[in-house]
Amino acid sequence: SQQGEEDPQALSIQEGENATMNCSYKTSINNLQWYRQNSGRGLVHLILIRSNEREKHSGRLRVTLDTSKKSSSLLITASRAADTASYFCATLIQGAQKLVFGQGTRLTINP
Amino acid sequence: DTEVTQTPKHLVMGMTNKKSLKCEQHMGHRAMYWYKQKAKKPPELMFVYSYEKLSINESVPSRFSPECPNSSLLNLHLHALQPEDSALYLCASSPRVIYNSPLHFGNGTRLTVT
Repeated sequence: SQQGEEDPQALSIQEGENATMNCSYKTSINNLQWYRQNSGRGLVHLILIRSNEREKHSGRLRVTLDTSKKSSSLLITASRAADTASYFCATLIQGAQKLVFGQGTRLTINP
Repeated sequence: DTEVTQTPKHLVMGMTNKKSLKCEQHMGHRAMYWYKQKAKKPPELMFVYSYEKLSINESVPSRFSPECPNSSLLNLHLHALQPEDSALYLCASSPRVIYNSPLHFGNGTRLTVT
């Protein structure tokens, strides 16, 4: 079964608004990563947060990690039409050499 | 553009055909991966190569045969596939199989089995 569950499955907002996506996981992790995938393309790495970190920023992206709740969130501020894509969280499970992807959130930014 | 190049971009094959997918990277990465992705689903790991040796096989059917001829190249040989094998096949690489650094993905090969 998949390690990560993302919420919501789909999100549609107006350009300029903020978008928040959540990821929950089941087992202890070494790190959690967020990837973006445009339709029919490969995945692009956005940000990696280690298990001993609580928050990380990269440009308009803000990622938080709460290991006690086994959850993470990705915030995209001031959204743009080009942010329309699917977003996946991926967890590195402790003791396993496997990066497991969540189900993903399909984000649509309306102009 | 991605630094991981996959060819072909699209492939249509019959169930009796033999074909190969190719992946190339020149970033000096020593870990390479094959993922399979069905529509509206997350990528699923198939194989992991570390220093040109197969380190993980996620119980993939033998009709999929991976090969890593050198540190820059990764192939996936296909034979006697089923229609349900139709999917986007993604190649990825990373410096090592440690995952403390991100995966670099190619844009995939869209495979249709008829």
